[in-house]
Amino acid sequence: GAVVSQHPSWVICKSGTSVKIECRSLDFQATTMFWYRQFPKQSLMLMATSNEGSKATYEQGVEKDKFLINHASLTLSTLTVTSAHPEDSSFYICSARDAPGAGGYTFGSGTRLTVV
Amino acid sequence: SQQGEEDPQALSIQEGENATMNCSYKTSINNLQWYRQNSGRGLVHLILIRSNEREKHSGRLRVTLDTSKKSSSLLITASRAADTASYFCASNTGNQFYFGTGTSLTVIP
Repeated sequence: GAVVSQHPSWVICKSGTSVKIECRSLDFQATTMFWYRQFPKQSLMLMATSNEGSKATYEQGVEKDKFLINHASLTLSTLTVTSAHPEDSSFYICSARDAPGAGGYTFGSGTRLTVV
Repeated sequence: SQQGEEDPQALSIQEGENATMNCSYKTSINNLQWYRQNSGRGLVHLILIRSNEREKHSGRLRVTLDTSKKSSSLLITASRAADTASYFCASNTGNQFYFGTGTSLTVIP
């Protein structure tokens, strides 16, 4: 089946630094990928929709200058958390549509970000 | 917010019992999906039900969908300790989908 690889699985960084998270579709092309954030014991909140070759669409309340999304190829989307702060500590998950019309989405295994 | 609601928020049952979780969503959907998440891990897709379907089975899972009420339910029969996890519904509007608030299920051995 379709596989989405997310890297790193966990990262600890200092306040003020930037962190890049990668999301790769391993055996299919994903024109659209999605980035979610999940705080402890809460549900996933959609942050942005990433479209290959164009600018990402951000959900209301998500700072596009803080959460930079690049979807430069059909198999890779990256999320960069810039100038990270402790309140950015969260679980970030990406997903990709695994085939046109399939109706199903494949999720990465998530990245646990801790900002100290 | 497009986020759906799930109830109960938490459910604790004995092994062998059935577990039922309910989900309500807000907009018209193409399909609705249920996912499982073990603590601190990614999501595992369980089952998808299309908007023109009313019920679907997969192993010990049974999903119903009522589009007139914008609601769905997930039934896990003969629960096992390994079923302990959080369960989320996700309503797919076509281009993206939105997760419910989740149900934390604990199955006591």
